[in-house]
Amino acid sequence: DTEVTQTPKHLVMGMTNKKSLKCEQHMGHRAMYWYKQKAKKPPELMFVYSYEKLSINESVPSRFSPECPNSSLLNLHLHALQPEDSALYLCASSTWTPNTGELFFGEGSRLTVL
Amino acid sequence: QQPVQSPQAVILREGEDAVINCSSSKALYSVHWYRQKHGEAPVFLMILLKGGEQKGHEKISASFNEKKQQSSLYLTASQLSYSGTYFCGTEIGTDKLIFGTGTRLQVFP
Repeated sequence: DTEVTQTPKHLVMGMTNKKSLKCEQHMGHRAMYWYKQKAKKPPELMFVYSYEKLSINESVPSRFSPECPNSSLLNLHLHALQPEDSALYLCASSTWTPNTGELFFGEGSRLTVL
Repeated sequence: QQPVQSPQAVILREGEDAVINCSSSKALYSVHWYRQKHGEAPVFLMILLKGGEQKGHEKISASFNEKKQQSSLYLTASQLSYSGTYFCGTEIGTDKLIFGTGTRLQVFP
C-alpha cells in the first residue's frame, strides 16, 4: 500500500467555522507533512512531524493547528480562517532515509473559505 | 531560500527535447524532482545526491552540480504524458523539503 489518503477532497467553510483535514498513511513512514498550494504556485511547507513530534513549523498562523495522534494519522485543525487561506492542502509522508527521501503525496483537500 | 527554476514555461511538440534548470542560493546536499499534472498531487521522479551523479527515469534524466548549486532535468523525445508542472526540491535540514518556483511543460501532438 503506497497510498496517502486525504479527506475530505473538498471543503467549503465560513470564517467562523471549525473544521479538520485528515491524512492517513500505512507505509510505516516516520515523517509526515502538510503543504499549502495556491493555484499555479509551488507547494509551501507548513508543518513536519517526525516520529509523531512536531519538528518543523514554518511560522504558520495559529488558526492552523496540526495534530499527529499516531504514526499513521495527521490532522490539520482549521479555525477562524480567512478567504486568503483558500488553497489546496497537501499531505505527504516519507521515510527520509539518505538515499530515498521520496515524498508520497495525497491527492489533497481543496479548501474554500467564504 | 526558494530555488529558482528556468524557464517558467516550455511548449514542445511530441518528440522534442527540453531542459529545466534549478538554481539555489544556498548549498545543496541533494535535489529532488517532482512532476505535478493538472488537478493531481506531485509525483516523485528522482533524487540526486552530492557527487554530481546523473540519474535517469525512462527518458527523463537529471544532473546535479553542487559546486554551482544547480541541477538540470533533461526530457528526451517528449511524450504527451510529460505535460505538467515540474518542481525541483531542495533539503533545508532534516525532513525539510522546499520546492522551487516550478516550470510548466506542455507537450502537443
